[in-house]
Amino acid sequence: DAGVIQSPRHEVTEMGQEVTLRCKPISGHDYLFWYRQTMMRGLELLIYFNNNVPIDDSGMPEDRFSAKMPNASFSTLKIQPSEPRDSAVYFCASRYGLQAANSPLHFGNGTRLTVT
Amino acid sequence: GNSVTQMEGPVTLSEEAFLTINCTYTATGYPSLFWYVQYPGEGLQLLLKATKADDKGSNKGFEATYRKETTSFHLEKGSVQVSDSAVYFCALSDRTGGFKTIFGAGTRLFVKA
Repeated sequence: DAGVIQSPRHEVTEMGQEVTLRCKPISGHDYLFWYRQTMMRGLELLIYFNNNVPIDDSGMPEDRFSAKMPNASFSTLKIQPSEPRDSAVYFCASRYGLQAANSPLHFGNGTRLTVT
Repeated sequence: GNSVTQMEGPVTLSEEAFLTINCTYTATGYPSLFWYVQYPGEGLQLLLKATKADDKGSNKGFEATYRKETTSFHLEKGSVQVSDSAVYFCALSDRTGGFKTIFGAGTRLFVKA
């Protein structure tokens, strides 16, 4: 099993540019989560999907952030326009939903975003 | 709402010392509890879990017991190694939280040779 795959690993962009982060969950997992990690705020849940449907996006900081999951094997997180305060490591994680509360999350290695 | 509180770091220990990282939680339902570990440049990975009261999770010499009466899930290891240096996260997930996993702030552990 290849695990959760995120791309790119590093992204450096200028303020105002559009940024798209990508995630391929583990095959067969029906929950997908996007987290943001910073020193100041720790790990923040941005949004999660169940069977490709967004369930809770209350953690999305503002309208500049959007996420999609067009099929079971692909999700994107888009920031438009990007700002320096968006600089963080963004993680995607997936989980198998049977007995969902007991199932652990499987994380990708993250995308380190730097907005200058 | 659900929340997790864990001790602030960093924690610095000598090799073979005893480790405790405290974790307490607040939940409206009956959560499952987890410890995750993050090594530099990587995502979090599951270390151990416990799904009901009095369960003990264990892995790689680490242990944690689900204590409902004290709403705690403290992580322990009898003899740490340099390779245990990492950031440790306590987390919970339950049905009333919509199966979201909520993480504590993380505790960085440094182990000196």
